[in-house]
Amino acid sequence: EPEVTQTPSHQVTQMGQEVILRCVPISNHLYFYWYRQILGQKVEFLVSFYNNEISEKSEIFDDQFSVERPDGSNFTLKIRSTKLEDSAMYFCASSYQDSGNTIYFGEGSWLTVV
Amino acid sequence: LAKTTQPISMDSYEGQEVNITCSHNNIATNDYITWYQQFPSQGPRFIIQGYKTKVTNEVASLFIPADRKSSTLSLPRVSLSDTAVYYCSASSGSARQLTFGSGTQLTVLP
Repeated sequence: EPEVTQTPSHQVTQMGQEVILRCVPISNHLYFYWYRQILGQKVEFLVSFYNNEISEKSEIFDDQFSVERPDGSNFTLKIRSTKLEDSAMYFCASSYQDSGNTIYFGEGSWLTVV
Repeated sequence: LAKTTQPISMDSYEGQEVNITCSHNNIATNDYITWYQQFPSQGPRFIIQGYKTKVTNEVASLFIPADRKSSTLSLPRVSLSDTAVYYCSASSGSARQLTFGSGTQLTVLP
């Protein structure tokens, strides 16, 4: 079964440092997403991306966050200056269609900010 | 986006059928109902999706009454490996903002 892959699986970074989380969505999918889950809390939507631009973003996705699809396969989430409260599991996801279609999630990247 | 309400937790024994009900009173006409499963430290995994009546796949069944204000995920003959958090979502036609509530922690006991 095709899957979304994410790297790294775990990253520890110092507060104020920049972090890039990488994702390879399923190859024929057109819509890409980032979610996050703080330990013990709900999965929260961050951003969706289609046709090389952001489609929607939540209030969590402020100016310190950015997304990019630098080539035909990777989809990245950059956090410019990390804060302690950015510590969370970040999930990349993708789907073929946008309307009522199944979203496939990756295994997540666990970010710890110290 | 319809708000969903599920039980916080449920216990079951191996081999039993488990039914988890979700209420979504303000579901919109074009909302689909989707259920996801999440194991600790893993991403949510799609289980089943439906719009009305009954949907069945190799993993589960989804029952949706005519008024669509609730839905029931049915897991036949659960095993220990079905212990996970189960999320119900009633999303608009757009999948862009799939929302997860608090989910139901299902614990399957031997």
